[in-house]
Amino acid sequence: GAVVSQHPSWVICKSGTSVKIECRSLDFQATTMFWYRQFPKQSLMLMATSNEGSKATYEQGVEKDKFLINHASLTLSTLTVTSAHPEDSSFYICSAKENGPANTGELFFGEGSRLTVL
Amino acid sequence: GNSVTQMEGPVTLSEEAFLTINCTYTATGYPSLFWYVQYPGEGLQLLLKATKADDKGSNKGFEATYRKETTSFHLEKGSVQVSDSAVYFCALSPGANSKLTFGKGITLSVRP
Repeated sequence: GAVVSQHPSWVICKSGTSVKIECRSLDFQATTMFWYRQFPKQSLMLMATSNEGSKATYEQGVEKDKFLINHASLTLSTLTVTSAHPEDSSFYICSAKENGPANTGELFFGEGSRLTVL
Repeated sequence: GNSVTQMEGPVTLSEEAFLTINCTYTATGYPSLFWYVQYPGEGLQLLLKATKADDKGSNKGFEATYRKETTSFHLEKGSVQVSDSAVYFCALSPGANSKLTFGKGITLSVRP
């Protein structure tokens, strides 16, 4: 089956630093990837839609200058949390849809990346 | 707009009990419907799906039937196990290139 991998799976950083999280589709191409944020015991909140070769589309209320998204290839999207603060601590999850006629709308999810900002 | 409503949780069951988790949706047209499961400390995994009315998705003993007339996609399992303890999310996608809309999720705890 389709596999999506995130790296790192967890990261601890100091307040004010920037952190980059990678999301890779390992065995398929994905023009579109999605970044979610999940708070403890809550549902997933869609942050942005990452589009290969173009700018990401951010959901209302999400700061695009704070959460930089780059989708440079059909298998890689990155989320950079800039000038991180403790309130940015969360579980970040990426997902991807497979290109082509096999796409039924199903999303394949990465393992998630837990960010802790001290 | 599109929305997914799940029953309030959490749910605690004894091993081998019958499970039903309700999910209803609002959408135009004929969306695809999904159940995702999230085990502690992990990302989401697709549990099962149905892409058209009256389809039944099934996996690992779980089943859900796409009911257009009641706009529902309830998840059932005849006999739960401790290893089924997880958070379950119902979701819909209006089309192949549309965003996925999730329900709030429900935590299931199965005790021995």
